[in-house]
Amino acid sequence: AQSVTQPDIHITVSEGASLELRCNYSYGATPYLFWYVQSPGQGLQLLLKYFSGDTLVQGIKGFEAEFKRSQSSFNLRKPSVHWSDAAEYFCAVGRGNAGNMLTFGGGTRLMVKP
Amino acid sequence: DADVTQTPRNRITKTGKRIMLECSQTKGHDRMYWYRQDPGLGLRLIYYSFDVKDINKGEISDGYSVSRQAQAKFSLSLESAIPNQTALYFCATSGQGAGKPQHFGDGTRLSIL
Repeated sequence: AQSVTQPDIHITVSEGASLELRCNYSYGATPYLFWYVQSPGQGLQLLLKYFSGDTLVQGIKGFEAEFKRSQSSFNLRKPSVHWSDAAEYFCAVGRGNAGNMLTFGGGTRLMVKP
Repeated sequence: DADVTQTPRNRITKTGKRIMLECSQTKGHDRMYWYRQDPGLGLRLIYYSFDVKDINKGEISDGYSVSRQAQAKFSLSLESAIPNQTALYFCATSGQGAGKPQHFGDGTRLSIL
C-alpha cells in the first residue's frame, strides 16, 4: 500500500533563510507527487507537481522540489523564506491509473521567525 | 467567487444529530472528493465520485454517506454524529487525465459535543 511520510512535524526558520521540507513515499509504481500548502482558515493550494520528465520541478511562490527515485523522496525547497510562507505543508502521492487518488503525509507546520 | 464552495464554514452540534455538509463547484470537473483533516494525520479520504452515477468509499467511510446531486454538487452526511467525527472537512475536485491536481474548498470546521 502507498504511504507518505513527512518526518518533521514542526520546523522554524528565520526569515531570509533557506528551507527544505522532507517527504518520503512508498509506492509500487512511478508516482505522481504533489506539494500543497494550507494557510490558516483556508483550503489546500497546489504548489507544484511531478509525474515525469525533469526531476527538479518549479512551483509557485518560489518553491521547487526534487524527485529522487533512489531515495523515494520528493523534498520541497525554497532559497529564501518570507514571513508569508508560514503555513502547513502537505506532500501527497497520487495513485490509480491517472494519479488522481491522493494519499497525504501528516503535514509539516512551518513557522518563520522575524 | 471561489471555484469550490463549502457550506457551512463552521458548525457546532450535538451527539446524535444528523448533519449535512455541502460542496458546490464551478470548475466543470467530473471528479469530486470528501476528506477529513485531523492534526498529525494529514487528509484522509472519506468518499469520492468520478461522475454523477459513480460513488465510491474511501479509507474512512464508516459513519458517513454522500450524495452526488449533480455534476457540480456533492454532499456529505453524518447520519448520527459522534464526538470523534469532530474535524476539519474538505471537499475537492479534479479533472480527468494523468496527474490532474485536486482543487480544494476552504473547509468546514465541525465540532460535535
